[in-house]
Amino acid sequence: SQKIEQNSEALNIQEGKTATLTCNYTNYSPAYLQWYRQDPGRGPVFLLLIRENEKEKRKERLKVTFDTTLKQSLFHITASQPADSATYLCALVSPRSNYQLIWGAGTKLIIKP
Amino acid sequence: NAGVTQTPKFRVLKTGQSMTLLCAQDMNHEYMYWYRQDPGMGLRLIHYSVGEGTTAKGEVPDGYNVSRLKKQNFLLGLESAAPSQTSVYFCASSWGVTDAFFGQGTRLTVV
Repeated sequence: SQKIEQNSEALNIQEGKTATLTCNYTNYSPAYLQWYRQDPGRGPVFLLLIRENEKEKRKERLKVTFDTTLKQSLFHITASQPADSATYLCALVSPRSNYQLIWGAGTKLIIKP
Repeated sequence: NAGVTQTPKFRVLKTGQSMTLLCAQDMNHEYMYWYRQDPGMGLRLIHYSVGEGTTAKGEVPDGYNVSRLKKQNFLLGLESAAPSQTSVYFCASSWGVTDAFFGQGTRLTVV
């Protein structure tokens, strides 16, 4: 079956450290992959997009990598802060999905002071 | 700019009742979407629209209908609510199949 998997367990990170979240997919050849942040009771907010021909994308303290061989994207937050605590969702777009977003269930990130 | 606005924010329905969720966007986006989000699951696409007057089925369309009479509005209807439709509903819009802007969500409980 077609799947996008994110770690369902919460990730606890000490403030100031780098947080790394994983998004794995099967049975897709994504055209591109997106990362979103979702706070409790709010809608997702777009963070970064990476295309299939890109290995890495950066935006301020955020970095996304895309390995089409491993079928995996990693999302990094450097110098993490308590305000970074949220659930992070990955979503991919593929011809197989009729170019609609297919979503992972998200990973909850907790940054401890 | 308000972005994407959903109404209502909360609603409790009895089984068999009907209701309409309204989504309005002020960014002149062509694409609009309705998702549902359930605990432990990713967002699932119910219906979407690629322009005024068009609609298409997503992953979980059964029990829902939509209309896009005006470019800025996308309505989601439940004709006969069922407990399985208890969920948080999100509307989103985008220029194309790229970054999407989401509303605040509607928490619907069907009893």
